[in-house]
Amino acid sequence: AQTVTQSQPEMSVQEAETVTLSCTYDTSESDYYLFWYKQPPSRQMILVIRQEAYKQQNATENRFSVNFQKAAKSFSLKISDSQLGDAAMYFCASRGSNAGGTSYGKLTFGQGTILTVHP
Amino acid sequence: DAGITQSPRYKITETGRQVTLMCHQTWSHSYMFWYRQDLGHGLRLIYYSAAADITDKGEVPDGYVVSRSKTENFPLTLESATRSQTSVYFCASSDSGYQPQHFGDGTRLSIL
Repeated sequence: AQTVTQSQPEMSVQEAETVTLSCTYDTSESDYYLFWYKQPPSRQMILVIRQEAYKQQNATENRFSVNFQKAAKSFSLKISDSQLGDAAMYFCASRGSNAGGTSYGKLTFGQGTILTVHP
Repeated sequence: DAGITQSPRYKITETGRQVTLMCHQTWSHSYMFWYRQDLGHGLRLIYYSAAADITDKGEVPDGYVVSRSKTENFPLTLESATRSQTSVYFCASSDSGYQPQHFGDGTRLSIL
């Protein structure tokens, strides 16, 4: 079983500044993936970044990076040099990666954080 | 064009009616999924399929039926729609159980 919690319903940031979105999770899986998805007003679900739990190195994709704390079951997203186009709902999600596990292939999402970017 | 498409994009219906949401993907992905998105809940898994003719329940399957006779199609049917099923529905697919899922653009379903 997996649970994902995003405790910040809304966040705001000034353009060009840095913002961090929080996520905590719990899982019974021994191996798993963690994801951040972006959902702009167009309703599309866009994969921002993913982290394999067995990798200690934090994932980075251009201005997006994560702080993965496995022992604390924490997976925060840092957005640097925020842009107006970053305004969206952000979802944290987890997914088991063991083929025999109950969570294999299935994403479990957090409640989402609405990010507003001020010019 | 390759991708995953959902239809219709918007649908309004009445309680008690049957409604089917369509999902079609052109990648020949093995896995397909249906989620519903509700405020305060994020996205929740309704049903998923690991291959043609193999389906299984997710977190919130009650009131829904799925089938997958062909790899590329995964329709979701509400046999007797209720107001609690008003939601945005997303279909997704992935090549394997650990590859990232690709999402359709969603169907906004309103049940009056």
